[in-house]
Amino acid sequence: KQEVTQIPAALSVPEGENLVLNCSFTDSAIYNLQWFRQDPGKGLTSLLLIQSSQREQTSGRLNASLDKSSGRSTLYIAASQPGDSATYLCAVRFSQAGTALIFGKGTTLSVSS
Amino acid sequence: DTGVSQDPRHKITKRGQNVTFRCDPISEHNRLYWYRQTLGQGPEFLTYFQNEAQLEKSRLLSDRFSAERPKGSFSTLEIQRTEQGDSAMYLCASSSSLGGAREPYEQYFGPGTRLTVT
Repeated sequence: KQEVTQIPAALSVPEGENLVLNCSFTDSAIYNLQWFRQDPGKGLTSLLLIQSSQREQTSGRLNASLDKSSGRSTLYIAASQPGDSATYLCAVRFSQAGTALIFGKGTTLSVSS
Repeated sequence: DTGVSQDPRHKITKRGQNVTFRCDPISEHNRLYWYRQTLGQGPEFLTYFQNEAQLEKSRLLSDRFSAERPKGSFSTLEIQRTEQGDSAMYLCASSSSLGGAREPYEQYFGPGTRLTVT
């Protein structure tokens, strides 16, 4: 069964700290992986997409890495800010033929000022 | 590019009633997806359209659920005889599989429709 797991479920850090969110997936034959941000009661905002041939993607203070062989991805957030407080979701598309994204349950991040 | 829009944003209905949601994808996107998200969980895939053709349906999509995309533009999701277990956020996403897309297959999500069945 294709599954995506995110650990920890929740994380609290003081402002300015660098942090890493983890995502693991059961099948290394993935097509791509997306990281999303979700604010309470809202839809999803796409942060980064990594194709299976890529090792990492960067956008501003965010850096996402992909290690297919170990079935892991990490989202690194530099110099965290209170505005980064949200739930971060990892989603995997496991094949080119299949179109569904399989989501983890997310990591809820709280950044205190 | 105005993004993916969904209507209504909130819906409260009584058990047994029918409800219909609408999704308008990003205009140049040929693919459209419906997901459902319950509290504390990640979204779960329901169904997918390429243009007007419904190409994939999850086993989560029971007989009470039906989705259409009649002209390959907007889509509707109808739930008949709603049950309390249908209470969830219903999310729509779109993507492009056409040449020239900046990131082919990157899915862009709408704000969702929150359904409460009393």
